[in-house]
Amino acid sequence: DGGITQSPKYLFRKEGQNVTLSCEQNLNHDAMYWYRQDPGQGLRLIYYSQIVNDFQKGDIAEGYSVSREKKESFPLTVTSAQKNPTAFYLCASSIRQITDTQYFGPGTRLTVL
Amino acid sequence: DQQVKQNSPSLSVQEGRISILNCDYTNSMFDYFLWYKKYPAEGPTFLISISSIKDKNEDGRFTVFLNKSAKHLSLHIVPSQPGDSAVYFCAASESNYQLIWGAGTKLIIKP
Repeated sequence: DGGITQSPKYLFRKEGQNVTLSCEQNLNHDAMYWYRQDPGQGLRLIYYSQIVNDFQKGDIAEGYSVSREKKESFPLTVTSAQKNPTAFYLCASSIRQITDTQYFGPGTRLTVL
Repeated sequence: DQQVKQNSPSLSVQEGRISILNCDYTNSMFDYFLWYKKYPAEGPTFLISISSIKDKNEDGRFTVFLNKSAKHLSLHIVPSQPGDSAVYFCAASESNYQLIWGAGTKLIIKP
């Protein structure tokens, strides 16, 4: 049963703490993406990776970091430098290019207290 | 500066009628457009796309129209069904660069 999993669904953290959001896919896709969604706004790209051990910043990369050590996994770390981290985070993957159909995980809602 | 705008936050349509969702964009270099659909507590799923070399693309009940001179995109759903109730996002890309997403329109299909 192929797809994208994100865990956890809800995450609470204290201000000043780093937190890592998990994203795993078993679709054998080369490309993976992290988006952030805020109320009343469209999805905004944080980081994307088109191949293992390589990734590029999106529009709002400041305060975030990623790694792509395995094809299946693309974890996102929200650092204490991110000024407004409370948001809904979506991970996606596609076969190769950014305009290929992107398959999304169910998302993680992060709340920083 | 929103390059892709969905000006209607919500839309209510009677079951069986046509639903028309609209999307406007400002970047004339966008050459690929997509619609995604999102149910609560799930990630978006791809619905339909259109390249800028076309002005219409149809897939079953879903048709996307592109008016390049007006920089306007619309999604038509005919006939509307209860399962179509969801949030619909349009997105656009220039030369296979990152997707720029609209804020979404919540479609409610009334029985």
